[in-house]
Amino acid sequence: AQSVTQLDSQVPVFEEAPVELRCNYSSSVSVYLFWYVQYPNQGLQLLLKYLSGSTLVKGINGFEAEFNKSQTSFHLRKPSVHISDTAEYFCAVSGRNNQGGKLIFGQGTELSVKP
Amino acid sequence: NAGVTQTPKFQVLKTGQSMTLQCAQDMNHEYMSWYRQDPGMGLRLIHYSVGAGITDQGEVPNGYNVSRSTTEDFPLRLLSAAPSQTSVYFCASIRGTGGSYTFGSGTRLTVV
Repeated sequence: AQSVTQLDSQVPVFEEAPVELRCNYSSSVSVYLFWYVQYPNQGLQLLLKYLSGSTLVKGINGFEAEFNKSQTSFHLRKPSVHISDTAEYFCAVSGRNNQGGKLIFGQGTELSVKP
Repeated sequence: NAGVTQTPKFQVLKTGQSMTLQCAQDMNHEYMSWYRQDPGMGLRLIHYSVGAGITDQGEVPNGYNVSRSTTEDFPLRLLSAAPSQTSVYFCASIRGTGGSYTFGSGTRLTVV
């Protein structure tokens, strides 16, 4: 079984500042990892995913995340945020052992970018 | 391609009523899932399916039934609605493990 913990429920930050949204996971098998974004009153959009290979993954809108197997973490970062990045961000995990469809989400982190 | 289509978009039910949330995908994806989203709790997996005729429980299956008679459709049934089932429901599909999940636009359900 898998579980995900997002360590911050809310992250306020000023425009053009860097931001890190933290995600830890737990799993008894090897995993795939994802970050999704949800803008107000909209559905979910994939930001980036880690399947294998390089532990630094680049996604859309200037976001990147680093997979750290020893610390079971997959933190999301952006060097300079914009007002338009205000949204809720979800970290998610699925097992590699043919459990397609079983994507487990964290509780979400609300990113609020202030001018 | 329409992707993942959920109907209805909004629904108000009275306690004890039953209804079915529809989910259809036209991408020939083998895996499909249902989630509910509640404030501060993220998305929680209700049921999922790894193919036609095969379903399994997720994190919060109580009060919900599913079936998957075709690859395309994965309806979610509420047999006797309760106020605790007031939520936004999302359906998702994926071709295989490691692929990108495609989400529907959601159904906002209110049980009074």
